[in-house]
Parts: sequence; structure tokens; C-alpha cells
Amino acid sequence: GAVVSQHPSRVICKSGTSVKIECRSLDFQATTMFWYRQFPKKSLMLMATSNEGSKATYEQGVEKDKFLINHASLTLSTLTVTSAHPEDSSFYICSARGRDAGRAIVDTQYFGPGTRLTVL
Amino acid sequence: SQQGEEDPQALSIQEGENATMNCSYKTSINNLQWYRQNSGRGLVHLILIRSNEREKHSGRLRVTLDTSKKSSSLLITASRAADTASYFCATAPRFRDDKIIFGKGTRLHILP
Repeated sequence: GAVVSQHPSRVICKSGTSVKIECRSLDFQATTMFWYRQFPKKSLMLMATSNEGSKATYEQGVEKDKFLINHASLTLSTLTVTSAHPEDSSFYICSARGRDAGRAIVDTQYFGPGTRLTVL
Repeated sequence: SQQGEEDPQALSIQEGENATMNCSYKTSINNLQWYRQNSGRGLVHLILIRSNEREKHSGRLRVTLDTSKKSSSLLITASRAADTASYFCATAPRFRDDKIIFGKGTRLHILP
């Protein structure tokens, strides 16, 4: 259980275009989804936290208008990189956490496989 | 901002040996988690230890937590080639437990 998928796994786009990345929790309802960015051989940097049905909370230094996050349902969150530039090239990873059978929030975050974005 | 600092940054050991990685953090936490990441892949959750726990086991993994020193260690016993990966600790801050903060990671390489 607790599987999170991401789509696409890899995307190459031209500078100036927008790219949408989907994150889905396949077998549980995600109360909260997280978006991270990771540079080669570096750690994960939290970009934003999104709760279903509410606006995302962005970390300091992350542009809200640049990285649009929508968490429309308990199983789907999307990250749209608008007007992408080469410096946006990175590995984007989402994670999700939900509730257990007793409705308590589970501490563990389950991660998707990541999306490799390359902006030419 | 990053909270955890793993030590060492890189570790190479012979297959069959034990591997120990350490993590230090700065602020009070609710829990600490260890994750594994294979190159270019997502993260796999290994183990979670709560702030009131001192030690936890899962298969060949043993995690300790010392809140007085703000440190944790991950021990992998009888290492295998498949254990080659990057290992990250992540802390859930006590007053902001809706997110976890990752350390820089330890790159572990198991030599055949």
C-alpha cells in the first residue's frame, strides 16, 4: 500500500513553455501533498505544501506565480512550472501523507518516483 | 532550510560489512525518518523514530535517536550490493510537523 505515482517521469521542453507534473496517491487519500526539488547529488528542497481544497503554502524563496500548485482532490496534486527557463531544469519529487483507519494523520510521507525536467 | 547534516557525506565499504551513517539536527523534533534514494529515483521510506523513542529495528536496519545530542544513527548490518544508494535523514520540527526537512545525505557504495 501507500503508492504515489508521478507523471510524466521525464519531460523536455523549450524555454518559455509551461509544464504540468501530476502527483497521484493510488491507494490512499492524501490529506497533504508536498513538492520538492532536487539538484544533482544534492538533498531535497521543500518547495510547497498543499492541503486538499486549500491554497498551497510556499517555502521562502519559491515563486508562487512560477510554480503553480493545485490540490483539487484527495488523490491528485499538480505542479505547473510556468514560462520555464533552463535554470528550472531539475528533478521534481512529490510526496503525500494521509490518515490511518482511525483518521489520525500518518507521519510518514510516501514519495513518488520523481520527474526529470529539462528546459532547453 | 536544511536541518539535518549527515555524516559522512560518502561511504564505501565491502559487501558484508556494517555501514553506519549519522545525522545531526538543530531544533526540537517530533520524529526523525530515514529514507533511501537510488540514483535518479524517488525516495523509499525506511524507518521512523519518534522523539520519545531511543532505538528502533527493521530487518537489517537499526536506528538510534539521542535527543539530548540532537543526533541519530542508521546502521545497516551485513551490507549487500543492493544497499548502494543515498541515505537521507529527515526531521519533523516540533512546531511545524506538517513538513519534514531533509539533510544532505550520505552516498553509500557497497563494494563487491
